[in-house]
Amino acid sequence: GAVVSQHPSRVICKSGTSVKIECRSLDFQATTMFWYRQFPKQSLMLMATSNEGSKATYEQGVEKDKFLINHASLTLSTLTVTSAHPEDSSFYICSASKSRLSSYNSPLHFGNGTRLTVT
Amino acid sequence: KNQVEQSPQSLIILEGKNCTLQCNYTVSPFSNLRWYKQDTGRGPVSLTIMTFSENTKSNGRYTATLDADTKQSSLHITASQLSDSASYICVVSANFWAGGYNKLIFGAGTRLAVHP
Repeated sequence: GAVVSQHPSRVICKSGTSVKIECRSLDFQATTMFWYRQFPKQSLMLMATSNEGSKATYEQGVEKDKFLINHASLTLSTLTVTSAHPEDSSFYICSASKSRLSSYNSPLHFGNGTRLTVT
Repeated sequence: KNQVEQSPQSLIILEGKNCTLQCNYTVSPFSNLRWYKQDTGRGPVSLTIMTFSENTKSNGRYTATLDADTKQSSLHITASQLSDSASYICVVSANFWAGGYNKLIFGAGTRLAVHP
């Protein structure tokens, strides 16, 4: 089955530093990747959608200069949280799709998430 | 407004019992409805995907139903096991073909706890 690997699984950083999270599709080409954040006991909130080779589309309220997304290849997307602050502490999850449209034939495959703690 | 509402918010059942989780949606234009299982601290795992023409779909002890007319879906878990303890998320996909993109609307999830 399709596997999405997310790294690291946990990261603790100091306030003001930047953190990079990687999302890789291991056995398929991911035309589209999605980034979510999830607060405790809440559902996933879509942050941005990235298509390989083009700029990411950010959801309303998500700062594009703070959450930098790069999707340079069909198997790798990165999310960089710049100048992290304690309020950025959350669970970040990526998902990947084989097509630009998440249709019936292209289910989403999720990574296992990254727990970010900013001290 | 596109919304997905799940009930109950949380549920506790005894091992071996059955349970049913509900999902109501107001999403248009509807493309498909998905149920995911999310273990604590992990990413969601797909259970079922249904289009508007499908009324029911099973995956082992999980059976999802869809009524596209009333815009309701349910996830039935049979003979629950301790490992079924997780959050179950209903996700509805809306396809905006004119704009060439797809949007997923997530429910808040139902937290299920199976006790021995």
